[in-house]
Amino acid sequence: QVQLVQSGAEVKKPGASVKVSCKASGYTFTSYGISWVRQAPGQGLEWMGWISAYNGNTNYAQKLQGRVTMTTDTSTSTAYMELRSLRSDDTAVYYCARKWGSSGWYDYWGQGTLVTVSS
Amino acid sequence: EIVLTQSPGTLSLSPGERATLSCRASQSVSSSYLAWYQQKPGQAPRLLIYGASSRATGIPDRFSGSGSGTDFTLTISRLEPEDFAVYYCQQYGSSPTFGQGTKVEIK
Repeated sequence: QVQLVQSGAEVKKPGASVKVSCKASGYTFTSYGISWVRQAPGQGLEWMGWISAYNGNTNYAQKLQGRVTMTTDTSTSTAYMELRSLRSDDTAVYYCARKWGSSGWYDYWGQGTLVTVSS
Repeated sequence: EIVLTQSPGTLSLSPGERATLSCRASQSVSSSYLAWYQQKPGQAPRLLIYGASSRATGIPDRFSGSGSGTDFTLTISRLEPEDFAVYYCQQYGSSPTFGQGTKVEIK
């Protein structure tokens, strides 16, 4: 069965970086993309970007350009999302999700990783 | 950026009733690239509908989606206790966006 298992919760200070992992299993990793979506406490869903696990092409949300990098390691079927220069408003649950095609829906989601930014 | 506006913000209904949720886009959503997700507290979102009207695998047929262009609707024909949750629409074009969500609560 398809599973996306994310790394554990993180606490970071403002200005630091965080790297969240998302390990995929149960399907051919390079046949799908991985998207990242975050959700601030009590708020809605915010799309962050996506990466093609086939060729590494990325598309980032404009508001995060320059601070976010998404990568994959096809040898371990793992996707990574790194966010730099963290601010308090980056505090959120970060989700990875499997994406269908270049413009597709998200059919499987990771369990989420809480990132808390606090001094 | 396509802005999605969901209404109402909160829907108070009883089990067995019909729920109608609206999602309006600021510009036409190409090729009906519109999905609906359900989210319960402390859980990840769950895909319900894609392509505006196609049910995802394992989704009961009481959930249905309709619409095109800028106006889309999610209908739950008869609410079950497990359907009380927050629902999000998403357009998944080149720069995906989500609506702000509709909470379906028990009346």
